[in-house]
Amino acid sequence: DQQVKQNSPSLSVQEGRISILNCDYTNSMFDYFLWYKKYPAEGPTFLISISSIKDKNEDGRFTVFLNKSAKHLSLHIVPSQPGDSAVYFCAASAGGGNKLTFGTGTQLKVEL
Amino acid sequence: DAGVIQSPRHEVTEMGQEVTLRCKPISGHNSLFWYRQTMMRGLELLIYFNNNVPIDDSGMPEDRFSAKMPNASFSTLKIQPSEPRDSAVYFCASSSASWESLYFGPGTRLLVL
Repeated sequence: DQQVKQNSPSLSVQEGRISILNCDYTNSMFDYFLWYKKYPAEGPTFLISISSIKDKNEDGRFTVFLNKSAKHLSLHIVPSQPGDSAVYFCAASAGGGNKLTFGTGTQLKVEL
Repeated sequence: DAGVIQSPRHEVTEMGQEVTLRCKPISGHNSLFWYRQTMMRGLELLIYFNNNVPIDDSGMPEDRFSAKMPNASFSTLKIQPSEPRDSAVYFCASSSASWESLYFGPGTRLLVL
């Protein structure tokens, strides 16, 4: 039972264009969402987060959008750079708890 | 700070053998997590500790898996006996007050033949 789903295992984008990574969740108790980025042979690192009281959070080239009614969030990267090539994990937590539920990840490749 | 340290980085073993993975969290972090990464299920939480006490081990797949945290600077994840389906990357992570402070180690890539 996958409560956080990333249905696209991979995405390829040209340098300078927008990358859009999607994430869906099923648990309506989730109220805090995060994106992590992972390079090969390294652990995931925190990228950006959003609380359920907001519908958008922006940090430089990275913006996360949350649509609570659709139980959907997305990560936009503009403009995409080759260094953004990595696996991106969506994660969610409920009620300030200590459990963070991750999706299966999306491999982003930014091509020159 | 050296970050979260895991050892070994790679482990190849035969089915039936005991495997012990080790983790040193970031100093001052009071929560420690063990995750397993597979292609099919992504990052799965196996167990987490708060102040060295196991809080939730509902993600531990079977009795073959056990985890300990004898002190604030060390934790182990043991698989006995190991099986080929245990092959995965195992991550240890630690945090202080928030998810933004969740730091992962580099992982241990386990292959059980």
